[in-house]
Amino acid sequence: QKEVEQDPGPLSVPEGAIVSLNCTYSNSAFQYFMWYRQYSRKGPELLMYTYSSGNKEDGRFTAQVDKSSKYISLFIRDSQPSDSATYLCAFLDGSSNTGKLIFGQGTTLQVKP
Amino acid sequence: GAGVSQSPSNKVTEKGKDVELRCDPISGHTALYWYRQSLGQGLEFLIYFQGNSAPDKSGLPSDRFSAERTGGSVSTLTIQRTQQEDSAVYLCASSFQGASGELFFGEGSRLTVL
Repeated sequence: QKEVEQDPGPLSVPEGAIVSLNCTYSNSAFQYFMWYRQYSRKGPELLMYTYSSGNKEDGRFTAQVDKSSKYISLFIRDSQPSDSATYLCAFLDGSSNTGKLIFGQGTTLQVKP
Repeated sequence: GAGVSQSPSNKVTEKGKDVELRCDPISGHTALYWYRQSLGQGLEFLIYFQGNSAPDKSGLPSDRFSAERTGGSVSTLTIQRTQQEDSAVYLCASSFQGASGELFFGEGSRLTVL
């Protein structure tokens, strides 16, 4: 079983749709949860960061963590063509002193005008 | 520059040749990471530096891969006797001291082995 499972998509939605991106994980030591966004031929950039179960909102983006189910989600409201990118979930072991992240496979999202 | 800089941006080489990929991290960032991104495979951790030391090199796939960091700054990833399966985008990231989970990535070096 992989440590992290993420549906690679691709996912295609019309502009204005609500998008749900999901990851499951198996390592109970993961205590910090992140979403990175990667535009084509660019490096990933940090989008959302959370360390507790529940929801965290930032503008049109909401990160949700359910530690009991080992499941995290990213919701995008009122999606825009500029949101078209690959979204990677990432995890950090709570006992890590290296900051080494474990990434999901990435979900490619296309938002059509 | 303000961000992580990687060179070359693209490299095409023949099987069996050696290649060197360079990373210049954000000034003041002591932690440096190399990841590999293959088509549809996500980011695969290769090696972590703190200063000039590499306390975690567990992701290097074989002894053909090596990396060094000098002056607590620039890092070079070397792949010897390249194979076709080495074709991928090699991403470098840096972080202030590490352990925070916030990594700043370069745009990557795209390696194609013919």
